[in-house]
Amino acid sequence: GAVVSQHPSWVICKSGTSVKIECRSLDFQATTMFWYRQFPKQSLMLMATSNEGSKATYEQGVEKDKFLINHASLTLSTLTVTSAHPEDSSFYICSARDRGLAGPYEQYFGPGTRLTVT
Amino acid sequence: SQQGEEDPQALSIQEGENATMNCSYKTSINNLQWYRQNSGRGLVHLILIRSNEREKHSGRLRVTLDTSKKSSSLLITASRAADTASYFCATGGTAGNKLTFGGGTRVLVKP
Repeated sequence: GAVVSQHPSWVICKSGTSVKIECRSLDFQATTMFWYRQFPKQSLMLMATSNEGSKATYEQGVEKDKFLINHASLTLSTLTVTSAHPEDSSFYICSARDRGLAGPYEQYFGPGTRLTVT
Repeated sequence: SQQGEEDPQALSIQEGENATMNCSYKTSINNLQWYRQNSGRGLVHLILIRSNEREKHSGRLRVTLDTSKKSSSLLITASRAADTASYFCATGGTAGNKLTFGGGTRVLVKP
C-alpha cells in the first residue's frame, strides 16, 4: 500500500513552453501533498505544500506564478512549470500524506520526474 | 532552507564493511527520518526515530538520536553493493508536518 505515482517520469521541453507534472496517491487519500526540487548531487528542496481544495503554500524564493500547483482532488496534485527555462531543468519529486493515519510523520514519495528544458 | 547537515558528503567502502553517516540539525524536532535514494530515482523511507527515542534498529540499519547534541547517525552493517545510494536525513518540525532534508551522504559500496 501507500503508493504515489508521478507522470511523466521524464520530459524534455523547449524553452518558453509549459509542462505539467502529475502526482497521484494510488491507494490512499492525501489531504496534503508536497513538491520538491532536486538538482544533481544535491538534496531535496521543498517548493510548496499543496492542500486539497485550497491554495498551495509556497516556500520562500519559489515563484508561485511560475510553479502553479493545483490539488483538485484527494488523490491528485499537479505542478505546472510555466514558461520553462533551462535553469528549471531539475528532478521534481512529490510526496503525499495519508489522511487516514494519525500523526504528522507519514509521507510517501513519488518516483520523481526528470525535467529537461532545452 | 535545509536544516540538516550530513557528514561525510561521500563514503566509499568495501562490501561487508560498515557504513556510518551523521546528521546534525539546528532546531527542535518532533522526529527524524532517514531515506535512501538510488541514482535518478525517488526516495525510499528507511526508518523514523521520534524525539523521545535514542536508538532504533531495522534489519541491518541502526539509527541513533541525540537531541542534546541535535545529531543523529545511521549505521549500515555488513554493507552490500546494493546499498550503493545517497542517504538523506529529514527532520519533522514540532510546528508542522513539513520535512526538511539534509544534504545527503553518497555511499559507494564496492564489491
